[in-house]
Amino acid sequence: DTEVTQTPKHLVMGMTNKKSLKCEQHMGHRAMYWYKQKAKKPPELMFVYSYEKLSINESVPSRFSPECPNSSLLNLHLHALQPEDSALYLCASSQGPPTDTQYFGPGTRLTVL
Amino acid sequence: GENVEQHPSTLSVQEGDSAVIKCTYSDSASNYFPWYKQELGKRPQLIIDIRSNVGEKKDQRIAVTLNKTAKHFSLHITETQPEDSAVYFCAATVSGGYQKVTFGIGTKLQVIP
Repeated sequence: DTEVTQTPKHLVMGMTNKKSLKCEQHMGHRAMYWYKQKAKKPPELMFVYSYEKLSINESVPSRFSPECPNSSLLNLHLHALQPEDSALYLCASSQGPPTDTQYFGPGTRLTVL
Repeated sequence: GENVEQHPSTLSVQEGDSAVIKCTYSDSASNYFPWYKQELGKRPQLIIDIRSNVGEKKDQRIAVTLNKTAKHFSLHITETQPEDSAVYFCAATVSGGYQKVTFGIGTKLQVIP
């Protein structure tokens, strides 16, 4: 299995809702990532987990809360989001050095009303 | 931190012609340079990558060159086809236990049939 999967594909939520995005990989990769991508922009790093520990938090607001339950799963918990948080949320994973290649999931298209 | 500049931001070529996208990076410690292709509404997909111990790499119609001294790297697509139309992102990173990848702003390539 050489894929990263994400659910749901689309999500519409109100500013008072709580929702979660899920990401899964079965490639034995040890690093997993959350990115946010706005239209016509490159992916913007949010969080990095390495060996199930949070390694990088790019000063992301606390209304985004990541979780790595095990080496194959990555969640992003959402609470009290703002309309400007509407974007494509991409998960990625990498094996680690020397490979370093990141493989992206298909993304979750999030709309905050 | 690393800064990656990419140009042009848009590129139109006739089918069958070549396309060249150029990037520069600022951090001399960067040693891994992936290129991603992103079609509309889809995930970024790795199309080719190069490491700092190599000057050029080729995969069928796609090639990447790296000039470490000048901190330049370029993507070359020959015999372009309509299915090459997409946004292309260059990126730079330092290989390590986890990565922070810095992306260029992207180049929207349009191949005109």
